[in-house]
Amino acid sequence: NAGVTQTPKFQVLKTGQSMTLQCAQDMNHNSMYWYRQDPGMGLRLIYYSASEGTTDKGEVPNGYNVSRLNKREFSLRLESAAPSQTSVYFCASTQAGSTYNEQFFGPGTRLTVL
Amino acid sequence: KNQVEQSPQSLIILEGKNCTLQCNYTVSPFSNLRWYKQDTGRGPVSLTIMTFSENTKSNGRYTATLDADTKQSSLHITASQLSDSASYICVVSANTGFQKLVFGTGTRLLVSP
Repeated sequence: NAGVTQTPKFQVLKTGQSMTLQCAQDMNHNSMYWYRQDPGMGLRLIYYSASEGTTDKGEVPNGYNVSRLNKREFSLRLESAAPSQTSVYFCASTQAGSTYNEQFFGPGTRLTVL
Repeated sequence: KNQVEQSPQSLIILEGKNCTLQCNYTVSPFSNLRWYKQDTGRGPVSLTIMTFSENTKSNGRYTATLDADTKQSSLHITASQLSDSASYICVVSANTGFQKLVFGTGTRLLVSP
């Protein structure tokens, strides 16, 4: 079991460039999430997918889009990157409806926008 | 406003010593409280999860307590090891239909030899 995997691990973009962050989980979880982590702040939810075929905005969705490709995969797209999107991005998954709805996190993608 | 506050922001202790990290929250309606360990450059990993009815839970040398009346939690680390050097994040889940997680900013712990 690899758990939650994310690619790439590091990325540097120029302002205005686009890119897609990939996330996959092999735990057969129904819900998946994208967070960003900035210095001095707690993790903030960007988008989530409660189940395959559904996506919803989180706390900070502006500038991002997501696709729940299938049950395993949930991608995050930056259409026109801005320096304010420099951050570490984490994908997480959970089996919603389980006892604790424990979320399992991927290793993160460190993104720098110049 | 849903908030989770942690103290101290950072802490240095000698290897083998004990320490306690604090978490205060104002999250409603409360579902559960989690402590995560985040090593530098890695994703958070769950240490403990407690519901309203659980006031203590252990995971090896880590013991978490929860006082739902005062909305406080603590994480006690016993006989610290160098590998305990990490950020410890308190996370409270709000039961709003969708399980919204409110993250604290973490306590950065350095265990010195």
